[in-house]
Amino acid sequence: AQKVTQAQTEISVVEKEDVTLDCVYETRDTTYYLFWYKQPPSGELVFLIRRNSFDEQNEISGRYSWNFQKSTSSFNFTITASQVVDSAVYFCALSEEGDSSYKLIFGSGTRLLVRP
Amino acid sequence: DGGITQSPKYLFRKEGQNVTLSCEQNLNHDAMYWYRQDPGQGLRLIYYSQIVNDFQKGDIAEGYSVSREKKESFPLTVTSAQKNPTAFYLCASSKLDSGANVLTFGAGSRLTVL
Repeated sequence: AQKVTQAQTEISVVEKEDVTLDCVYETRDTTYYLFWYKQPPSGELVFLIRRNSFDEQNEISGRYSWNFQKSTSSFNFTITASQVVDSAVYFCALSEEGDSSYKLIFGSGTRLLVRP
Repeated sequence: DGGITQSPKYLFRKEGQNVTLSCEQNLNHDAMYWYRQDPGQGLRLIYYSQIVNDFQKGDIAEGYSVSREKKESFPLTVTSAQKNPTAFYLCASSKLDSGANVLTFGAGSRLTVL
C-alpha cells in the first residue's frame, strides 16, 4: 500500500541554521512522483518541487535542496541558512502513475519554526 | 490570474446542520479534489472528480457529498452525518494526463462545529 511518512512532527531552529526535513515513502508502482508543498500560516499549500521515480538527480533551488534516494525510499528536503519566512508546515506527497485518480497521498507534515 | 477560490474562509455550524463549501477554479483543469486537514494527520482525500457529472469517493467520504455540474465548480456539502466535521478543508485541481500533474490548492475553508 502507498504511504508517506514524515517522522518529524515539529522542528525548531535559529535563523541561519541549516535544517533537513525527512520524508520516507512506500509504493509498489514503478512510476511515481514525489512532491513537496509548503503551507504558510495563511493555509494555502504552495508547490515547491516534483521528482519522478526515474530521476534521482538531486536538485538545488536557491537555499532549498532535495535529496532523492530510491535505495532508501527517501526524498529529503534541506533548507540552508534558514530564515524566519521559512516558518511553515511542509508536506511531502506521493502520486502513482498506476492510480488513475492521480490523487496525492500526503505525509502528516513537519512544522518548521525558525526563530530570529 | 488563474487560481482556485474557496468560500467561506471561516464557517461556524451548529450540530445537525448541513453546510456547503464552495470551490471554483478558472484554470481549465479537468480534475478537482477535496481534502480534509486535521492537526497531525496531514491531508486526507474526501472526494474527487475527473469529469463533469461524475465523482468518486476518496478515503474518508462518509458524511460528505459533492456535485460537479460545471467544470469550474466542485462544491462540498458537510452533512449532519459527519461525526467530527470540525477541520480545515482544502480544494485542489489539476490537469488529468499524468500522475506528474501538480495540484493547485485553494486557500481553504475552516469549519467549526459549535
